[in-house]
Amino acid sequence: DQQVKQNSPSLSVQEGRISILNCDYTNSMFDYFLWYKKYPAEGPTFLISISSIKDKNEDGRFTVFLNKSAKHLSLHIVPSQPGDSAVYFCAANEGAQKLVFGQGTRLTINP
Amino acid sequence: DTEVTQTPKHLVMGMTNKKSLKCEQHMGHRAMYWYKQKAKKPPELMFVYSYEKLSINESVPSRFSPECPNSSLLNLHLHALQPEDSALYLCASSQDSHSYEQYFGPGTRLTVT
Repeated sequence: DQQVKQNSPSLSVQEGRISILNCDYTNSMFDYFLWYKKYPAEGPTFLISISSIKDKNEDGRFTVFLNKSAKHLSLHIVPSQPGDSAVYFCAANEGAQKLVFGQGTRLTINP
Repeated sequence: DTEVTQTPKHLVMGMTNKKSLKCEQHMGHRAMYWYKQKAKKPPELMFVYSYEKLSINESVPSRFSPECPNSSLLNLHLHALQPEDSALYLCASSQDSHSYEQYFGPGTRLTVT
């Protein structure tokens, strides 16, 4: 049973516009959520995180929103840049040591 | 320095071979992890070491044998693998076992023939 789901395998956005990546989870015990970005032939790179006690965290062009009642989080990238083209993984912590990843969303930024 | 390094980048091995994957970090992190990632799938946790002791084994077959010689190094010894073990093997580290953010290496692409 998949506890972290990213229902959109791919997303295409025009350069300069907002990219919104979505993630749903089923385990109400998750208390920390992270977004990772992955380029081909590289390991995932930590992007931004949010604790379950918050509903928003912002870092430059990246903002993560958490809706605990809906068990939903989203990553907003604005403005989108060509270098943002990558696979984005949502992850949740089941205990501090164990990350559970979603399936990933491939983001393509078009010039 | 926020880098986790892994060697080799690529490895091809037969089912009777013995090989090892190596991971190194110099961030002073005390927790290290092995993940396996198949094509178009998310990374899946295999092992966790905390303060050089194995703390989590996700029911991984014994043909995979982890080792943590010191706080900076993590090895994964491979023996009698199957073709279905072909995957990207990722190493990660975090400040300690209570830290949520994990930092990943580039991975070793393993092919078992």
